Amino acid sequence: QSALTQPASVSGSPGQSIAISCTGTSSDVGRYNYVSWHQQHPGKAPKLLIYDVSMRPSGVSDRFSGSKSGNTASLTISGLQAEDEADYYCSSYTSRTTYVFGGGTKVTVL
Amino acid sequence: EVQVVESGGGLVQPGGSLRLSCADSGLTLSSYWVHWVRQAPGKGLVWVSRINTDGSTTTYADSVKGRFTISRDNAKNTLYLQMNSLRVEDTAVYYCARDFHGRDDLWGRGTLVSVSS
Repeated sequence: QSALTQPASVSGSPGQSIAISCTGTSSDVGRYNYVSWHQQHPGKAPKLLIYDVSMRPSGVSDRFSGSKSGNTASLTISGLQAEDEADYYCSSYTSRTTYVFGGGTKVTVL
Repeated sequence: EVQVVESGGGLVQPGGSLRLSCADSGLTLSSYWVHWVRQAPGKGLVWVSRINTDGSTTTYADSVKGRFTISRDNAKNTLYLQMNSLRVEDTAVYYCARDFHGRDDLWGRGTLVSVSS
């Protein structure tokens, strides 16, 4: 199972909006609405931001939003803040009943 | 606040075995599917395995199939990952993730497994 494709890095200035793409195949992202996004700060455990493509768990800021079109899912961070500087991972359920992650995207706040 | 805690990591020689454990402070683990995810030093997250609530359904990544076994003891609110025939490339922080991909998704801080001679 090949990893989902994410850009290695994305950057933006405080207050701006950025988007992170996550490209899979018709066997994972394109087939199921089971895409999640996790945020990971250095040395910390990953934290769920989005599940089921666009659902936000309780306690997650509404500055984070998710969407999907075809085989590509996206995470948008609005009103970028210094604390958003972290690594972001998408993941998807697959037709083999396994899960696959993207390679991760490092977000830098300029 | 509920916390998930992994234990059992350490240094092991290639070909050796380790058993990781996972429990949560809120005694909620038995109500959820639970997954193991690993992260090699400086690398990204990789899904390893999952188990359903009563332990009757398990799934593995190809890279660990036949070597790793996931199990649970709900009476002890504990989840296990038995790792046999360990390889250098299994070196990673292993995370236990309750309800991974669900709205109650919660991860522990991980336990480090180092495979080296």
